Amino acid sequence: KNEVEQSPQNLTAQEGEFITINCSYSVGISALHWLQQHPGGGIVSLFMLSSGKKKHGRLIATINIQEKHSSLHITASHPRDSAVYICAGIGGGADGLTFGKGTHLIIQP
Amino acid sequence: SAVISQKPSRDICQRGTSLTIQCQVDSQVTMMFWYRQQPGQSLTLIATANQGSEATYESGFVIDKFPISRPNLTFSTLTVSNMSPEDSSIYLCSVVDRGQNEQFFGPGTRLTVL
Repeated sequence: KNEVEQSPQNLTAQEGEFITINCSYSVGISALHWLQQHPGGGIVSLFMLSSGKKKHGRLIATINIQEKHSSLHITASHPRDSAVYICAGIGGGADGLTFGKGTHLIIQP
Repeated sequence: SAVISQKPSRDICQRGTSLTIQCQVDSQVTMMFWYRQQPGQSLTLIATANQGSEATYESGFVIDKFPISRPNLTFSTLTVSNMSPEDSSIYLCSVVDRGQNEQFFGPGTRLTVL
């Protein structure tokens, strides 16, 4: 059975801080999505990673396949980054995604 | 990218009734997924809906409770039958593009069962 573990569950930081959210996953998962969920439920896919590192604006995602670990970083955080960030695994025989429980991020001005 | 719309965006329903949620995609996609997010919980896959075949349900979900239609490559419906308060959740449909490098989500349907 696929498993995805995220930490921290909740994170409150000040505007401008560097944010790191971690995700570890089980054997069989071949790639990860990082998703952003805003209040109301809408979900946006930020990155899909199977190796290495990706960057988009202030967001950086890395994945270490050997260690089965991924991180999402936010540089120069801003209150509009406040959302739930979810990592979700692909593969392991499952058609759909296996989701972590999410990290509730609050950036205070 | 795929743009997905869902109807209704939210509803409040009485126990014992049924609600059908519609998912419309602006492009043809092979695989569509229905997820549920109960309050305070992570998303859980309900079923995979492929056009021209029966939906594939995950453990804990059955067709009688969550019948799914997939009449064409741009549309699907999920019905939540004989609802109880435990069915109160956000229901999301999602699609994968051909290369399976991108997954797109609908805006969700927030269901409250009284």
